[in-house]
Amino acid sequence: DTGVSQDPRHKITKRGQNVTFRCDPISEHNRLYWYRQTLGQGPEFLTYFQNEAQLEKSRLLSDRFSAERPKGSFSTLEIQRTEQGDSAMYLCASSVSSGGGDEQYFGPGTRLTVT
Amino acid sequence: EDQVTQSPEALRLQEGESSSLNCSYTVSGLRGLFWYRQDPGKGPEFLFTLYSAGEEKEKERLKATLTKKESFLHITAPKPEDSATYLCAVKKVGSNYQLIWGAGTKLIIKP
Repeated sequence: DTGVSQDPRHKITKRGQNVTFRCDPISEHNRLYWYRQTLGQGPEFLTYFQNEAQLEKSRLLSDRFSAERPKGSFSTLEIQRTEQGDSAMYLCASSVSSGGGDEQYFGPGTRLTVT
Repeated sequence: EDQVTQSPEALRLQEGESSSLNCSYTVSGLRGLFWYRQDPGKGPEFLFTLYSAGEEKEKERLKATLTKKESFLHITAPKPEDSATYLCAVKKVGSNYQLIWGAGTKLIIKP
């Protein structure tokens, strides 16, 4: 039984560079979420996919952020022209839509540091 | 405004000293309340889902309860390995997926 995986676990980049993160959800989960978390705060919603369709994107998310989920499997999150304010933990979660709670299961996260 | 507030921000206990963490919420209608545990540098780990007032869930030394305005996470005779940040999140009626998160309570259990 494999959980949600994310790659890389850590990324250090210089301001202005582009970065891409990958998330592999639990295999039977059709919903996938991206969050950003900074120290001492709860996760901040970025975007949501149901299967391959991106159904919601946070209004707080600038145009420098883009996410894809081709074929409804893994997902990528790209940040273009990184800024120091982008430094955070980027979390991916997945869930299966059902009549129940739709509990979200998280990956280990990717720690981004922009220098 | 929809809001989730957790208290205290941090809690230090001696091993074996039982206590409770609080999650209060103001939303137009509750669809579910979720508790997660998060260790430093890791993603949140799902613990419980509560749906309606009066509901209780238990797992090892943890018990979560729910009222119409708040949830409590009771920890009985904690051990050092229970040290973590505990996060609460709420899904409101009409929301298909989005959670409203609290900032968490950092729990430290001293041996």
